[in-house]
Amino acid sequence: DAKTTQPTSMDCAEGRAANLPCNHSTISGNEYVYWYRQIHSQGPQYIIHGLKNNETNEMASLIITEDRKSSTLILPHATLRDTAVYYCIVRASGGSNYKLTFGKGTLLTVNP
Amino acid sequence: DTAVSQTPKYLVTQMGNDKSIKCEQNLGHDTMYWYKQDSKKFLKIMFSYNNKELIINETVPNRFSPKSPDKAHLNLHINSLELGDSAVYFCASSQRLQGAGANVLTFGAGSRLTVL
Repeated sequence: DAKTTQPTSMDCAEGRAANLPCNHSTISGNEYVYWYRQIHSQGPQYIIHGLKNNETNEMASLIITEDRKSSTLILPHATLRDTAVYYCIVRASGGSNYKLTFGKGTLLTVNP
Repeated sequence: DTAVSQTPKYLVTQMGNDKSIKCEQNLGHDTMYWYKQDSKKFLKIMFSYNNKELIINETVPNRFSPKSPDKAHLNLHINSLELGDSAVYFCASSQRLQGAGANVLTFGAGSRLTVL
C-alpha cells in the first residue's frame, strides 16, 4: 500500500469549510484513496473513497489531483461535531494484503 | 439498530485473569476484524476472519484467541491478561475480503479493557 502523509493537526472555524490534505506520491494505478475519521471515544467511521474522479456524498467531498499524488477531503460546513482525527489511507481493492492500515491521521479541531 | 455491536463496553480486571469480548454484526458482511488501539492512539489490526475462516493474524500473542461461530460473530478471548493488554479493542466488518466494499469497514463502538 502506498504511504500517505498528512499534517498532524489543523484548526477550522465552525461553519467554514475544512480542507484536509493528504499526499500519496507513490500511489499505484489500482489504488484507491479512502478517508475515515475517529471522533473521540468512538470507533472509526468511513467517510468517502475515490480512484481518480472527484467524489461527493452526504458527509464530504474528495478532490483527487489529476496526477493522483495528492487529495483533499472537504467538509463544506464544519461543525463542532466534526472535531476528530481524520485518516487518509491508500489501498487497492484486490491483492493479498487483506488489511486496512491506519496511520497517525490529522487531528481536526473545529472551533466555535 | 446497531450495525456492529460489541460487549462489554468497559472491562476492568486483574492481571492473570481470562476475559472475552463479543462482537456481532447485522450487516450481512462476510469479513470481520479485531483492531487494537493503545494509549498512543495507534490503531492496529489484530485479526481478520472471512466466512468464519482466519485470514490475518498479525503476530498477536497466542494468549489472544479469536473465535467465529458464524460469519455474523467474532469473539475475542484473552488468557492470562497482562498490563500491556490495556487498550480499546474495536471490532469491524466489511462486505467482503477483496474487491468492491473490501476497504469500507464499519466499526463497533469499542471495548475499553483495563488490566490492573
